[in-house]
Amino acid sequence: DTGVSQDPRHKITKRGQNVTFRCDPISEHNRLYWYRQTLGQGPEFLTYFQNEAQLEKSRLLSDRFSAERPKGSFSTLEIQRTEQGDSAMYLCASSASGQGFGEQYFGPGTRLTVT
Amino acid sequence: GQQLNQSPQSMFIQEGEDVSMNCTSSSIFNTWLWYKQDPGEGPVLLIALYKAGELTSNGRLTAQFGITRKDSFLNISASIPSDVGIYFCAGYNAGNNRKLIWGLGTSLAVNP
Repeated sequence: DTGVSQDPRHKITKRGQNVTFRCDPISEHNRLYWYRQTLGQGPEFLTYFQNEAQLEKSRLLSDRFSAERPKGSFSTLEIQRTEQGDSAMYLCASSASGQGFGEQYFGPGTRLTVT
Repeated sequence: GQQLNQSPQSMFIQEGEDVSMNCTSSSIFNTWLWYKQDPGEGPVLLIALYKAGELTSNGRLTAQFGITRKDSFLNISASIPSDVGIYFCAGYNAGNNRKLIWGLGTSLAVNP
Protein backbone atom coordinates (compact mmCIF):
# COMPACT_ATOMS: atom_id res chain seq x y z
CA ASP A 1 0.00 0.00 0.00
CA THR A 2 1.63 3.23 -1.12
CA GLY A 3 -1.04 5.63 0.10
CA VAL A 4 -0.96 8.07 2.99
CA SER A 5 -1.13 6.34 6.35
CA GLN A 6 -2.08 7.74 9.73
CA ASP A 7 -1.71 6.34 13.21
CA PRO A 8 -3.66 5.83 15.36
CA ARG A 9 -7.02 5.62 13.61
CA HIS A 10 -8.88 6.36 16.80
CA LYS A 11 -7.85 8.05 20.03
CA ILE A 12 -9.91 8.61 23.14
CA THR A 13 -8.34 10.82 25.76
CA LYS A 14 -9.32 12.73 28.84
CA ARG A 15 -9.41 16.48 28.86
CA GLY A 16 -6.05 17.93 29.77
CA GLN A 17 -4.00 15.06 28.39
CA ASN A 18 -1.52 15.39 25.52
CA VAL A 19 -1.92 13.40 22.32
CA THR A 20 0.32 12.86 19.33
CA PHE A 21 -0.66 11.67 15.87
CA ARG A 22 1.57 10.42 13.10
CA CYS A 23 1.28 10.75 9.34
CA ASP A 24 3.34 8.92 6.73
CA PRO A 25 2.86 10.56 3.32
CA ILE A 26 3.22 8.96 -0.08
CA SER A 27 6.95 8.37 -0.28
CA GLU A 28 7.78 10.62 -3.23
CA HIS A 29 5.62 13.52 -2.00
CA ASN A 30 7.45 16.51 -0.55
CA ARG A 31 4.38 18.44 0.57
CA LEU A 32 2.38 17.48 3.62
CA TYR A 33 -0.77 19.03 5.05
CA TRP A 34 -2.76 18.66 8.24
CA TYR A 35 -6.50 19.32 8.31
CA ARG A 36 -9.21 19.07 10.94
CA GLN A 37 -12.74 18.01 10.09
CA THR A 38 -15.87 18.13 12.21
CA LEU A 39 -19.23 16.60 11.39
CA GLY A 40 -21.01 18.25 8.50
CA GLN A 41 -18.02 20.33 7.49
CA GLY A 42 -15.30 20.10 4.92
CA PRO A 43 -11.70 19.76 6.07
CA GLU A 44 -10.21 22.87 7.67
CA PHE A 45 -6.58 23.65 6.90
CA LEU A 46 -4.24 23.55 9.89
CA THR A 47 -0.69 23.58 8.57
CA TYR A 48 1.52 22.81 5.59
CA PHE A 49 5.08 21.51 5.14
CA GLN A 50 7.30 21.54 2.13
CA ASN A 51 10.00 19.01 2.90
CA GLU A 52 10.91 19.72 6.54
CA ALA A 53 9.93 23.38 6.49
CA GLN A 54 6.61 24.39 8.00
CA LEU A 55 5.51 27.10 5.59
CA GLU A 56 2.12 28.04 6.91
CA LYS A 57 0.03 27.64 10.02
CA SER A 58 -3.63 28.48 10.27
CA ARG A 59 -4.79 30.76 13.04
CA LEU A 60 -6.94 27.76 13.98
CA LEU A 61 -3.71 26.18 15.19
CA SER A 62 -3.50 27.52 18.72
CA ASP A 63 -0.33 27.38 20.77
CA ARG A 64 -1.50 24.03 22.14
CA PHE A 65 -0.97 22.52 18.70
CA SER A 66 2.42 21.80 17.23
CA ALA A 67 3.43 19.92 14.11
CA GLU A 68 6.80 18.67 12.99
CA ARG A 69 8.30 17.00 9.98
CA PRO A 70 11.90 16.60 11.07
CA LYS A 71 13.35 14.72 8.13
CA GLY A 72 10.93 15.76 5.47
CA SER A 73 9.22 12.38 5.53
CA PHE A 74 6.69 11.50 8.25
CA SER A 75 5.02 14.19 10.32
CA THR A 76 3.59 14.39 13.83
CA LEU A 77 0.82 16.58 15.17
CA GLU A 78 0.74 17.09 18.92
CA ILE A 79 -2.10 18.58 20.91
CA GLN A 80 -1.26 19.60 24.45
CA ARG A 81 -3.80 19.99 27.25
CA THR A 82 -6.62 18.69 25.10
CA GLU A 83 -10.06 20.28 25.35
CA GLN A 84 -13.42 18.85 24.40
CA GLY A 85 -13.54 21.22 21.45
CA ASP A 86 -10.52 19.42 20.01
CA SER A 87 -12.68 16.38 19.30
CA ALA A 88 -12.61 15.97 15.52
CA MET A 89 -11.17 13.95 12.69
CA TYR A 90 -7.55 14.93 11.99
CA LEU A 91 -6.60 14.36 8.38
CA CYS A 92 -3.22 14.31 6.76
CA ALA A 93 -2.66 14.78 3.04
CA SER A 94 0.35 14.85 0.77
CA SER A 95 1.16 16.09 -2.69
CA ALA A 96 4.17 16.31 -4.96
CA SER A 97 5.67 19.49 -6.36
CA GLY A 98 5.39 19.52 -10.11
CA GLN A 99 2.18 17.53 -9.89
CA GLY A 100 -1.06 19.17 -10.89
CA PHE A 101 -1.49 21.91 -8.38
CA GLY A 102 -3.85 21.03 -5.59
CA GLU A 103 -3.91 17.25 -6.07
CA GLN A 104 -3.73 16.28 -2.45
CA TYR A 105 -4.07 12.67 -1.38
CA PHE A 106 -5.55 12.04 2.03
CA GLY A 107 -4.94 9.44 4.67
CA PRO A 108 -7.75 7.65 6.54
CA GLY A 109 -7.66 10.16 9.39
CA THR A 110 -7.34 9.95 13.17
CA ARG A 111 -10.60 10.31 15.05
CA LEU A 112 -9.97 12.11 18.36
CA THR A 113 -12.51 12.03 21.15
CA VAL A 114 -11.81 14.13 24.23
CA THR A 115 -13.91 13.17 27.23
CA GLY B 1 -12.71 31.23 6.41
CA GLN B 2 -13.66 31.13 2.76
CA GLN B 3 -16.01 28.36 1.70
CA LEU B 4 -17.45 27.21 -1.55
CA ASN B 5 -21.21 27.02 -2.11
CA GLN B 6 -22.03 23.41 -2.85
CA SER B 7 -25.48 22.15 -3.77
CA PRO B 8 -27.55 20.26 -3.20
CA GLN B 9 -26.78 19.61 0.43
CA SER B 10 -28.19 16.10 0.18
CA MET B 11 -29.77 13.79 -2.37
CA PHE B 12 -31.76 10.59 -2.09
CA ILE B 13 -32.08 8.76 -5.38
CA GLN B 14 -32.99 5.40 -6.83
CA GLU B 15 -30.31 3.08 -8.09
CA GLY B 16 -29.71 3.65 -11.79
CA GLU B 17 -30.55 7.36 -11.72
CA ASP B 18 -28.12 10.05 -12.76
CA VAL B 19 -26.88 12.60 -10.23
CA SER B 20 -25.74 16.19 -10.66
CA MET B 21 -24.15 18.47 -8.12
CA ASN B 22 -22.35 21.77 -8.38
CA CYS B 23 -20.06 24.14 -6.63
CA THR B 24 -19.76 27.90 -6.94
CA SER B 25 -17.35 30.50 -5.67
CA SER B 26 -17.18 34.26 -5.47
CA SER B 27 -13.56 34.11 -6.59
CA ILE B 28 -11.80 32.29 -9.40
CA PHE B 29 -9.75 29.15 -9.03
CA ASN B 30 -6.99 27.60 -11.11
CA THR B 31 -7.90 24.09 -10.09
CA TRP B 32 -11.13 22.37 -9.13
CA LEU B 33 -11.11 19.04 -7.36
CA TRP B 34 -13.85 16.58 -6.49
CA TYR B 35 -13.48 14.18 -3.58
CA LYS B 36 -15.67 11.41 -2.13
CA GLN B 37 -15.62 10.63 1.56
CA ASP B 38 -17.03 7.54 3.22
CA PRO B 39 -17.94 7.59 6.92
CA GLY B 40 -14.86 7.40 9.13
CA GLU B 41 -12.45 7.66 6.22
CA GLY B 42 -10.42 10.38 4.55
CA PRO B 43 -11.52 12.02 1.29
CA VAL B 44 -10.60 10.19 -1.90
CA LEU B 45 -9.71 12.23 -4.97
CA LEU B 46 -12.09 11.51 -7.83
CA ILE B 47 -11.35 14.09 -10.50
CA ALA B 48 -8.99 17.06 -10.87
CA LEU B 49 -9.68 19.89 -13.35
CA TYR B 50 -7.07 22.43 -14.43
CA LYS B 51 -8.44 24.42 -17.32
CA ALA B 52 -11.57 26.54 -17.76
CA GLY B 53 -14.09 24.62 -19.83
CA GLU B 54 -12.34 21.30 -19.25
CA LEU B 55 -14.57 18.23 -19.13
CA THR B 56 -13.03 15.15 -17.51
CA SER B 57 -14.43 11.69 -16.92
CA ASN B 58 -13.51 8.95 -14.49
CA GLY B 59 -15.70 5.93 -15.18
CA ARG B 60 -19.29 6.93 -14.52
CA LEU B 61 -18.20 10.29 -13.13
CA THR B 62 -17.88 13.40 -15.25
CA ALA B 63 -16.79 16.81 -13.98
CA GLN B 64 -16.51 20.18 -15.66
CA PHE B 65 -14.46 23.27 -14.88
CA GLY B 66 -16.76 26.25 -15.45
CA ILE B 67 -15.86 28.82 -18.09
CA THR B 68 -15.93 31.63 -15.55
CA ARG B 69 -13.51 29.64 -13.33
CA LYS B 70 -15.94 30.26 -10.49
CA ASP B 71 -17.86 27.02 -10.67
CA SER B 72 -17.63 23.31 -11.28
CA PHE B 73 -20.07 20.45 -11.80
CA LEU B 74 -19.99 16.75 -11.06
CA ASN B 75 -22.27 14.22 -12.67
CA ILE B 76 -22.63 10.56 -11.77
CA SER B 77 -24.38 8.39 -14.29
CA ALA B 78 -26.32 5.20 -13.55
CA SER B 79 -25.81 5.39 -9.78
CA ILE B 80 -25.10 2.23 -7.80
CA PRO B 81 -25.29 1.60 -4.03
CA SER B 82 -21.53 2.05 -3.54
CA ASP B 83 -21.86 5.66 -4.74
CA VAL B 84 -23.26 6.46 -1.30
CA GLY B 85 -21.12 8.96 0.57
CA ILE B 86 -20.34 12.64 0.83
CA TYR B 87 -18.98 14.41 -2.21
CA PHE B 88 -16.84 17.49 -1.67
CA CYS B 89 -15.67 20.07 -4.13
CA ALA B 90 -12.46 21.95 -3.45
CA GLY B 91 -10.82 24.87 -5.20
CA TYR B 92 -7.17 25.74 -5.35
CA ASN B 93 -5.14 28.82 -6.16
CA ALA B 94 -1.42 29.18 -5.76
CA GLY B 95 -2.21 32.51 -4.18
CA ASN B 96 -3.86 30.67 -1.27
CA ASN B 97 -0.46 29.21 -0.48
CA ARG B 98 -1.55 25.79 -1.61
CA LYS B 99 -4.56 25.61 0.66
CA LEU B 100 -7.66 23.93 -0.65
CA ILE B 101 -10.93 25.80 -0.17
CA TRP B 102 -13.76 23.35 0.46
CA GLY B 103 -17.49 23.12 -0.01
CA LEU B 104 -19.69 21.69 2.74
CA GLY B 105 -20.37 18.52 0.80
CA THR B 106 -23.29 16.80 -0.89
CA SER B 107 -24.54 13.74 0.93
CA LEU B 108 -25.72 11.08 -1.51
CA ALA B 109 -27.98 8.20 -0.58
CA VAL B 110 -28.88 5.54 -3.14
CA ASN B 111 -31.92 3.32 -2.74
CA PRO B 112 -31.22 -0.09 -4.26
